[in-house]
Formats: sequence, structure tokens, C-alpha cells
Amino acid sequence: DAKTTQPTSMDCAEGRAANLPCNHSTISGNEYVYWYRQIHSQGPQYIIHGLKNNETNEMASLIITEDRKSSTLILPHATLRDTAVYYCIVRPAGGGADGLTFGKGTHLIIQP
Amino acid sequence: SQTIHQWPATLVQPVGSPLSLECTVEGTSNPNLYWYRQAAGRGLQLLFYSVGIGQISSEVPQNLSASRPQDRQFILSSKKLLLSDSGFYLCAWMPLAGLFDTQYFGPGTRLTVL
Repeated sequence: DAKTTQPTSMDCAEGRAANLPCNHSTISGNEYVYWYRQIHSQGPQYIIHGLKNNETNEMASLIITEDRKSSTLILPHATLRDTAVYYCIVRPAGGGADGLTFGKGTHLIIQP
Repeated sequence: SQTIHQWPATLVQPVGSPLSLECTVEGTSNPNLYWYRQAAGRGLQLLFYSVGIGQISSEVPQNLSASRPQDRQFILSSKKLLLSDSGFYLCAWMPLAGLFDTQYFGPGTRLTVL
């Protein structure tokens, strides 16, 4: 699986858009970008995934650059409950039964 | 809809004691099942995964073991706990035939070994 690089931590004001970057310069053509988050003392939660087109669901939007070497997760109107560690993971579709490789992620802190 | 349960939620055990953590999934069949551990201040580490009853793959050699006695039941065990076994244990499931690797995690068990 391709390696990802994320900032260690970020702050965002409540009500503003939170933009979380992820670099994955060695991504392969068949690899998807997945985002999960882990709120303190809870299990990780799937947010969104994409291949090359921008994706949006009820939780967030995912913007993938044209060369697919980086992506940005956007939480459009951040709330205090969005404070969590956000993980960017790259894996091929149907990547197998083995588990996900979580890096250190970005600790997003939403400020009131 | 699918749900995943883990118990107990918290556990305090002395060094050298046995361990049994249970995970069950409802609302799906033939899931892939996973055990992860998160030590304090550390990332998630995959411990075991299973693609079917009785089939266990180990990612990290240690004093822990896993079993899958039923399709939707996954158990993590130890005969003798070490201090280093303390951590947050998470069970997860993934559709067996899914194209996308979306895993769904349980609420976790926080284990403290004293």
C-alpha cells in the first residue's frame, strides 16, 4: 500500500470549514484513498473514499488532485464533535482480507 | 443494519492472569473479522484477522491468540497477561466480498494490566 503523509495536528474554528491534507505521492493507479476518524476513546469511523473524482457524502467531501498525489478531506461546517484524529489510508480496490494500516493521522482540534 | 458488539467495555487484570475478549457482529454473513490494539499514545496495530470459521492469520507474534468459533464471533485470548498487553482493543468487520475496503469498528475494550 502506498505511504501517506499528514500533518500531526491542526486547529479549526467551530462553524468554519476544516481542510485536512494528505500526501500520497507513490499512489498506484488502482489504489483508492480512504479517510477514517477516531474520536477519543472510540473505534475508528469510516468517512469517505475515492479514486480520482471528487466525492461528497453526508459527512464530508474528498478532493483528489488530478495527478492523484494528494488529497484533501473537507468538513464543511466543523463542530466541536468533529475533534478527532483523522487517518488517510491508501489501498487498492479489493485489496485483500488483511487489515488497514493506520499511520499517525492528523489530530484535528475544533476551537469554540 | 449491521452492528458490532464488544465486551467487556473495560477490564483490569493482574499480570499473569488469563484474558478473553469477545466480539460479535449482527446483520451480516461471512464477514472478515479483525482485532487491533492501540497502546496509550500509539497508533492502531493489527493483531489478527479471519476470513472464515477457524481461519486465523496472525500479524504480530506475541502472547495473544484469536479464535473464530462461529461465523460472526471473534475471540481474543491470552493465557498469561503481560504489562505490555495494556491498551485499547478494537474489533472490526469488513464484508467478505466487498470491492471497497471499508471496515466497521466496534466500541472497543480498554484493558489495564497491573
